[in-house]
Amino acid sequence: QVQLQESGPGLVKPSETLSLTCDVSGYSVSSGYYWGWIRQTPGKGLEWIGSIYHSGNTYYNPSLKSRVTISLDTSKNQFSLKLTSVTAADTGVYYCAKHGEFQYFDYWGQGTLVSVSS
Amino acid sequence: DIQMTQSPSSLSASVGDRVTIACRASQTINTFLNWYRQKPGQAPKLLIYAASSLQNGVPSRFSGRGSGTDFTLTISSLQPEDFATYYCQQSYSTPQTFGQGTNLEI
Repeated sequence: QVQLQESGPGLVKPSETLSLTCDVSGYSVSSGYYWGWIRQTPGKGLEWIGSIYHSGNTYYNPSLKSRVTISLDTSKNQFSLKLTSVTAADTGVYYCAKHGEFQYFDYWGQGTLVSVSS
Repeated sequence: DIQMTQSPSSLSASVGDRVTIACRASQTINTFLNWYRQKPGQAPKLLIYAASSLQNGVPSRFSGRGSGTDFTLTISSLQPEDFATYYCQQSYSTPQTFGQGTNLEI
């Protein structure tokens, strides 16, 4: 059974960088599939942020692309999200998830709440 | 971006009822349409992928249909755990986008 768990600071100051990590168990991230980040905010609902392939190739939501970096650490079986220059609009619950064959999300982490405030 | 519009936004029903939720895409997405159920405080859970395929372990009371721009999710006999929010998602093109959600309440 694939399991994902997000971790990272729950509070980030405006203009700083949000950094989250997703630990994966039950499947090796280097073996296949895309691995993604999704957030749920009061303003935009569920929003896909970006995803990374097991080879390291990435693709991002164009609306966030200039601020987002997703990376893979196969030695720790985890992947990470960095979102720069955050504002209050970035406050929300951040989920990591595994893509299935047709790019749906078949396994999700429990989510972590990130608040942007000084 | 492809806009996904769900209807209704909220729906009242009772245990045992049959309900249908609609999702419309702003342009054709073939059958790259997925459905999720989200209970309060939990992550979304995949129910249906590729418009009509039932995810492993999901009860058969859930079914999906449609292609192109118009899709539906039907729950044949509501159970207490089905009172939640439902989302459609298109995975046809980047960026993948979600509907605004349908809140199913008693």
